[in-house]
Amino acid sequence: DAMVIQNPRYQVTQFGKPVTLSCSQTLNHNVMYWYQQKSSQAPKLLFHYYDKDFNNEADTPDNFQSRRPNTSFCFLDIRSPGLGDTAMYLCATSSQTQVYNEQFFGPGTRLTVL
Amino acid sequence: GENVEQHPSTLSVQEGDSAVIKCTYSDSASNYFPWYKQELGKRPQLIIDIRSNVGEKKDQRIAVTLNKTAKHFSLHITETQPEDSAVYFCAANHMEYGNKLVFGAGTILRVKS
Repeated sequence: DAMVIQNPRYQVTQFGKPVTLSCSQTLNHNVMYWYQQKSSQAPKLLFHYYDKDFNNEADTPDNFQSRRPNTSFCFLDIRSPGLGDTAMYLCATSSQTQVYNEQFFGPGTRLTVL
Repeated sequence: GENVEQHPSTLSVQEGDSAVIKCTYSDSASNYFPWYKQELGKRPQLIIDIRSNVGEKKDQRIAVTLNKTAKHFSLHITETQPEDSAVYFCAANHMEYGNKLVFGAGTILRVKS
C-alpha cells in the first residue's frame, strides 16, 4: 500500500544532543511537509518542500533544519534540542498535480528531550 | 493570509446524539476544506473534505456543509458512538498559499455512553 513512513516512532534525546527524524513516502508526491504538534494543539507547520524548493515558515527556529535528498525521503534535523522541542513531529505529503491540497500524514515521531 | 477559527474547543455529547463543530475562515479565495480526526498519540486522519464548488457532502454518519458567502463550514456527526471521541481539526487551503493548510485550533469531542 502506498504510504508515508516515519522513523523512529519514538525518540528520546538529551538536551543539546542533535537528532534526526526521517520520513519516506511511496506516494510519489512532490510536496513534503514537516509539522510540530504539542499536546492539545493543532499541528504547526515548520517547513515544506515543493519538489526541491525549500519553504521555511517565518517563525520556525534556526535550530530546525531539513533535507530532501530525493522525492521519496525527507529529514528533519534538530541541531541542539531544547526541552521545549518535546513534541510529536508529523510528516505529510501532497501532490501538486491535484487541484486541491489533500495531505497525507505519517504516523509521527514522538520526541522527548530530557 | 488565511485564518481559521474553530468552535467549540470541547464538546461533550451523549451516545446517540449529534455533534456539530463549526469553523470560519477569512480568505474567500480558499477552496478546499478538510476535516481531520486525531486519536490520542496517533496521526491526524482525513475523515471528510469539501471543495468550494459544493455546499454539502455526506459520508454515512458524517457530513460537512460549506457556506461560501458567510465563509464558514461545519462538521456534523450523527448517532455518535464512543469511538467518535477524539480531537477534530478543520483546515482551509488555497493553492496560492504555497500548498499550505491552515488548521483550526481543534475540538475535543467526548461521547459519553
